[in-house]
Amino acid sequence: AQTVTQSQPEMSVQEAETVTLSCTYDTSESNYYLFWYKQPPSRQMILVIRQEAYKQQNATENRFSVNFQKAAKSFSLKISDSQLGDTAMYFCAFMTQGAQKLVFGQGTRLTINP
Amino acid sequence: GAGVSQSPRYKVAKRGQDVALRCDPISGHVSLFWYQQALGQGPEFLTYFQNEAQLDKSGLPSDRFFAERPEGSVSTLKIQRTQQEDSAVYLCASGPRENTEAFFGQGTRLTVV
Repeated sequence: AQTVTQSQPEMSVQEAETVTLSCTYDTSESNYYLFWYKQPPSRQMILVIRQEAYKQQNATENRFSVNFQKAAKSFSLKISDSQLGDTAMYFCAFMTQGAQKLVFGQGTRLTINP
Repeated sequence: GAGVSQSPRYKVAKRGQDVALRCDPISGHVSLFWYQQALGQGPEFLTYFQNEAQLDKSGLPSDRFFAERPEGSVSTLKIQRTQQEDSAVYLCASGPRENTEAFFGQGTRLTVV
């Protein structure tokens, strides 16, 4: 069974700082996808960034980037120049190519302080 | 519509009552998912549809849970004889095709009293 582990239940940084959220996963599959989702108090899960396992290049979306280490089964999210609006729960998620369903970690509550 | 729409946003049910939760996916999206999110936890998969076909229902916790998508668009998650442990946020998501990211609705918060 696939599992996703987020070892940091909570993190807090000052505005404009850089923060890195950790995620590790366990799978025997070779073809899969990794995602980071943001969930603000409104409850809606918003996709932040996506990575295909077959791509060696780390995905980047504006201030958000990942460090994908396939051998170590690690998928961390870096947020640069953090903003107050980044305050939310962040979930790491995994999906195998055949299964279609997302397997989520327990989440990291990120607070950006002014 | 612009996004995935779920109704109602909040539902309070007495223990033993049946409930029905509705999901309107993004128009044209083939895939539709239901997830259950307990307080302080990550979402857990319940079931998956490709068009009208329910291809995976391995996450449904008991036979009291039933989902349908008869015309390949709107989906309904039904919970019969609700119990307190069913209290959670139920999230619906849709995707344009296989192996793509899912777009989530705002969820329905179900409280069973």
